[in-house]
Amino acid sequence: AQKITQTQPGMFVQEKEAVTLDCTYDTSDPSYGLFWYKQPSSGEMIFLIYQGSYDQQNATEGRYSLNFQKARKSANLVISASQLGDSAMYFCAMRGHNTNAGKSTFGDGTTLTVKP
Amino acid sequence: KAGVTQTPRYLIKTRGQQVTLSCSPISGHRSVSWYQQTPGQGLQFLFEYFSETQRNKGNFPGRFSGRQFSNSRSEMNVSTLELGDSALYLCASSFASGAPDTGELFFGEGSRLTVL
Repeated sequence: AQKITQTQPGMFVQEKEAVTLDCTYDTSDPSYGLFWYKQPSSGEMIFLIYQGSYDQQNATEGRYSLNFQKARKSANLVISASQLGDSAMYFCAMRGHNTNAGKSTFGDGTTLTVKP
Repeated sequence: KAGVTQTPRYLIKTRGQQVTLSCSPISGHRSVSWYQQTPGQGLQFLFEYFSETQRNKGNFPGRFSGRQFSNSRSEMNVSTLELGDSALYLCASSFASGAPDTGELFFGEGSRLTVL
């Protein structure tokens, strides 16, 4: 079984500042992937970044980076230079590499509000 | 290329009725999965279809069913609607190459169902 925990229901950040969204996970799979998705008010979930459990380096995608600490089972998302358009709900998710692509486990999400 | 398309976007039904939701995946994607999103339960996996076969199913009653057609389009059906079925139903597609890598999901904007 897999479990994702996001302990921050809501976060506020000033525009242009960096923010860290927390995610911890639990799994018995020896190999797995971790994902972050963004969900604006429109409802569509947008893939942001991926980290494989055996990747030696933290993943980065533009202003997004994933702070992966395998021993602590954490996969925090860091957004640098926040923009007003970053205001949305953010979900951490995972999938064991032996699990079919469509079945991912999601956390409860963190609502991020960027203040001007 | 076109994204994941879900129809209808919004619908209102009454208890006891049944509903069918449709999802057209990204061209070339063979895996289609469905998720139910509610404020109280977060994102819950419903089922996944691959090449017209259901290969994963979440913990939902038999009132929830789905199918996938030869062109990868998928439908989900909910019979005998209950008030608790009010939710945003998200469809996601994936290339599902089988490689233990990425495998991010591409989501549609969802179908928002209200049961009165």
